[in-house]
Amino acid sequence: DGGITQSPKYLFRKEGQNVTLSCEQNLNHDAMYWYRQDPGQGLRLIYYSQIVNDFQKGDIAEGYSVSREKKESFPLTVTSAQKNPTAFYLCASSFTGSQDNQPQHFGDGTRLSIL
Amino acid sequence: GENVEQHPSTLSVQEGDSAVIKCTYSDSASNYFPWYKQELGKRPQLIIDIRSNVGEKKDQRIAVTLNKTAKHFSLHITETQPEDSAVYFCAAGGDGLTFGKGTHLIIQP
Repeated sequence: DGGITQSPKYLFRKEGQNVTLSCEQNLNHDAMYWYRQDPGQGLRLIYYSQIVNDFQKGDIAEGYSVSREKKESFPLTVTSAQKNPTAFYLCASSFTGSQDNQPQHFGDGTRLSIL
Repeated sequence: GENVEQHPSTLSVQEGDSAVIKCTYSDSASNYFPWYKQELGKRPQLIIDIRSNVGEKKDQRIAVTLNKTAKHFSLHITETQPEDSAVYFCAAGGDGLTFGKGTHLIIQP
């Protein structure tokens, strides 16, 4: 989906360093999500936000932080507390329906590696 | 929380045959069940979804069935083609989604 942009495509982190992954969408979606994908593990939810200035922890939030200051942007910071950060990180967004869930659309991902 | 199991982890079928991937979920409150296709190194793409008030949905060669009582749902692909080769993920949820671990579908020529 061209409306969700993740950057950078590849990122390298040194020990003890925080890094921030960018996610921007121009689809006017209310909700945004961050997932981590490891081989054979599927996608695991890190954080999600359904409205500006509010976000909730997902299943594996430890060692990560997020902010949602603008509707279009949902950056993810991988902190030094995350001891195994090497993974493929996917951002997604969707509308929020009053009764029905809305499909999530994904960005192209950021591949993070440890130096 | 929700737990989604997906089987098989790898599925190899002859071109032209049908493929079936099955998922079970644990949370009876889940009401939305999408399926995603992910090609190597690319983003997951939504291919079909179903909501809890529907038992079956079809889109050309792809269909999904949902059994709420048994808490399982399945993806059916008929007349498989080489371009169907990919990893397929099921998911279940309400406000958030829980994904299965994926099925690597291989179409043999």
